[in-house]
Amino acid sequence: AQSVAQPEDQVNVAEGNPLTVKCTYSVSGNPYLFWYVQYPNRGLQFLLKYITGDNLVKGSYGFEAEFNKSQTSFHLKKPSALVSDSALYFCAVSLTSGTYKYIFGTGTRLKVLA
Amino acid sequence: GAVVSQHPSWVICKSGTSVKIECRSLDFQATTMFWYRQFPKQSLMLMATSNEGSKATYEQGVEKDKFLINHASLTLSTLTVTSAHPEDSSFYICSARLRGLANSYEQFFGPGTRLTVL
Repeated sequence: AQSVAQPEDQVNVAEGNPLTVKCTYSVSGNPYLFWYVQYPNRGLQFLLKYITGDNLVKGSYGFEAEFNKSQTSFHLKKPSALVSDSALYFCAVSLTSGTYKYIFGTGTRLKVLA
Repeated sequence: GAVVSQHPSWVICKSGTSVKIECRSLDFQATTMFWYRQFPKQSLMLMATSNEGSKATYEQGVEKDKFLINHASLTLSTLTVTSAHPEDSSFYICSARLRGLANSYEQFFGPGTRLTVL
């Protein structure tokens, strides 16, 4: 079965420190991978995507993610966390045929401490 | 960029009434729209996939008579929660895929609608 895993329910990091939010996937074919951020009572905001090309993808607000095919991972990173980065982060994989549905991870709550 | 709006952003209704939520793609035509439901502190649960001019495809366990989806045009899809009950209270989010873009796998998300049923 196709799935996306975000193994950490919550990640705490001090402001100014680097942050990593983990995502691994299990899908057939070549994956199209996305990261979204959600603030309370808001919809999903796009951060970045991997379709093809360079394994290191740079996105919005200083975030980046590295696609690792051998480890089937797509971890989200930021060199220096801000308190305003505190939010809920979702990793998603798009099916590339049929309905083009997304498979979402369970979400990781990031808390950046001042 | 591609913008998706939802209306209303929040709604409170009495048990037994029906509520309609609109999802519009503002600056593009959408091949497909998706409807999600999100419970507090949980991930998004896909309810149905909606293609313009055809019947929606519902996910397993989602009652199609309860959650009516209409996709009347390439820029508008509606979700009607019929005979709403308190357990239908949730955050409903729609998304859309661009029409005319080959291999467009990306979805653009609306801001969500908070439904509270009393």
